[in-house]
Amino acid sequence: EVQLVESGGGLVRPGGSLRLSCAASGFSFSSYSMTWVRQAPGKGLEWISSISTSSSSTYYADSVKGRFTISRDNSKNSMNLQMNSLRAEDTAVYYCARRITIIGGDIDYWGQGILVTVSS
Amino acid sequence: QTVVTQEPSLTVSLGGTVTLTCASSTGTVTSGYYANWFQQKPGQPPRSLIYSATRKHSWTPARFSGSLLGGRAALTLSGVQPEDEAVYFCQLYYGGAQKWVFGGGTKLTVL
Repeated sequence: EVQLVESGGGLVRPGGSLRLSCAASGFSFSSYSMTWVRQAPGKGLEWISSISTSSSSTYYADSVKGRFTISRDNSKNSMNLQMNSLRAEDTAVYYCARRITIIGGDIDYWGQGILVTVSS
Repeated sequence: QTVVTQEPSLTVSLGGTVTLTCASSTGTVTSGYYANWFQQKPGQPPRSLIYSATRKHSWTPARFSGSLLGGRAALTLSGVQPEDEAVYFCQLYYGGAQKWVFGGGTKLTVL
């Protein structure tokens, strides 16, 4: 069974940093591109970052470029999102998800999400 | 700025048929946009329904279908059930910019 479990969320002050993790199980993690999607309270979904299977390619939304860094460790079946210079507008539930196609990046499985709150 | 537009809300009668659409500010949505459709119920993560515009996941109920219609991506529900009441999001892929953009979501109400 495919499982994606996010961790590392919580309350952080504006300007602070947080590192999210996504633990994957039930599939060959190294064979899939992965992505982070977030959802602000009461709002829609926002794609923020994706990473290729070997980490050779990373992609970011303009809203987080230069502040967030995506990475993965295929030996540990995990993906991370280092979030720096956090702002109030980064407050959201962060989901990790698996992409099943190399071109187009179709998504199949999602994690349950983890809440990040940026507030003083 | 690229904008993906969905109907904010739609209402359908139980057992009826409804089509949700997904438009791109850049123009006609083609297969190269790899449209995905997701269903989200309150307090739950999104659930993937359709990928590459028309393809279903193994768990996608047969009453859901995806298509490209009139320059947009479309999600059609035929024989709507009470459990289909949810918010539906589309996602489009913009290969030139290597980015993915979600629509604002359609809240579907089943009467």
